[in-house]
Amino acid sequence: AQKITQTQPGMFVQEKEAVTLDCTYDTSDPSYGLFWYKQPSSGEMIFLIYQGSYDQQNATEGRYSLNFQKARKSANLVISASQLGDSAMYFCAMREGLESNTGKLIFGQGTTLQVKP
Amino acid sequence: DVKVTQSSRYLVKRTGEKVFLECVQDMDHENMFWYRQDPGLGLRLIYFSYDVKMKEKGDIPEGYSVSREKKERFSLILESASTNQTSMYLCASSFPARSGNTIYFGEGSWLTVV
Repeated sequence: AQKITQTQPGMFVQEKEAVTLDCTYDTSDPSYGLFWYKQPSSGEMIFLIYQGSYDQQNATEGRYSLNFQKARKSANLVISASQLGDSAMYFCAMREGLESNTGKLIFGQGTTLQVKP
Repeated sequence: DVKVTQSSRYLVKRTGEKVFLECVQDMDHENMFWYRQDPGLGLRLIYFSYDVKMKEKGDIPEGYSVSREKKERFSLILESASTNQTSMYLCASSFPARSGNTIYFGEGSWLTVV
């Protein structure tokens, strides 16, 4: 069963506007972490933001914020004031078993974001 | 500077060949991962190793095997390459989840099987 679901294959946003990329997840583990990565056309994976399942507040990193709704099992990425350089593929990922040695890291299908000038 | 190095950036192999993709990390990480990335499917976990000689199957292990004889090196093996294994392969490493959540990725290896 798919554990990480990104339902938006592609998104467009106007430069300087905000955009939300959706991510839902499925786990029965109470201890897990959620990640967002950016992958530009060069292929490198760039870490953006992390949210732990026990974190009380939504994570923020500069223009990135994570809208964490635990009961809904969603972890949407919000990018404020979009820039042309934000055009890339974005991946949501989850790591279960944060209290173990064997926590796997699994990814969603990705969302391609294009920022229009 | 921390590094995850994948041995080959671009490879072209023939159907039926045995293919080795090597990944080396210099951060003394216990955990190492191999993924393949395909359009519309995202990154899918092939195998995961949480310590030397320890491995776990990911979501798509069929047609692949792995080797972790030394802590810094995690090899992905295609015993008999097939055209449906044409893909981009990404290696990653990290400390165990309970020790931190920073995960480092290699640059990727583009494999074409003809």
